Amino acid sequence: RKEVEQDPGPFNVPEGATVAFNCTYSNSASQSFFWYRQDCRKEPKLLMSVYSSGNEDGRFTAQLNRASQYISLLIRDSKLSDSATYLCVVKSSNSGYSTLTFGKGTMLLVSP
Amino acid sequence: EPEVTQTPSHQVTQMGQEVILRCVPISNHLYFYWYRQILGQKVEFLVSFYNNEISEKSEIFDDQFSVERPDGSNFTLKIRSTKLEDSAMYFCASSRLAGPSYEQYFGPGTRLTVT
Repeated sequence: RKEVEQDPGPFNVPEGATVAFNCTYSNSASQSFFWYRQDCRKEPKLLMSVYSSGNEDGRFTAQLNRASQYISLLIRDSKLSDSATYLCVVKSSNSGYSTLTFGKGTMLLVSP
Repeated sequence: EPEVTQTPSHQVTQMGQEVILRCVPISNHLYFYWYRQILGQKVEFLVSFYNNEISEKSEIFDDQFSVERPDGSNFTLKIRSTKLEDSAMYFCASSRLAGPSYEQYFGPGTRLTVT
């Protein structure tokens, strides 16, 4: 049973392209949703939280559809430095304590 | 900017040996976590720790694992008798509080290699 599922990619795009990643989660009681970025052999770093109304941070736009249990990330005007693995992360609470459940990640390669 | 630190960055050990991985969480954070990532796999939750006791643990966190906060700054993960399948990147994380809106900050990780 995969709790957070993502297309592993890789997505190969040229600089300046727009790319979208999708993610589905199985736990309907999940409370918070995030996109993390992970560079090769580095720690995950929070890219942005995902809110029900959708939210934007510069070139990044995140959307959440609770009914479909679906999360998306859109990256506009891709930069070389956007090359990384993007992790869909869901937070669920059990007895008041929150744990993060990670997807396996989608790899993005931006080329010149 | 405060950050989570971990030592060592890389640990090589023989099967059956005990290892201790060390973490210094961000100073005003109250919740601490260990995650692991086997090469090529997803990041997996191991354990969360609050107020000097385990608050939650996954099925991965069996009797071979233990955590401790030996002093006011360090947070450790001990693996009693390492197995080959324990080879992974181990990430420590901390958060100010628990709950949906509090970010967990990750340390740079310790790469554990069991031979």
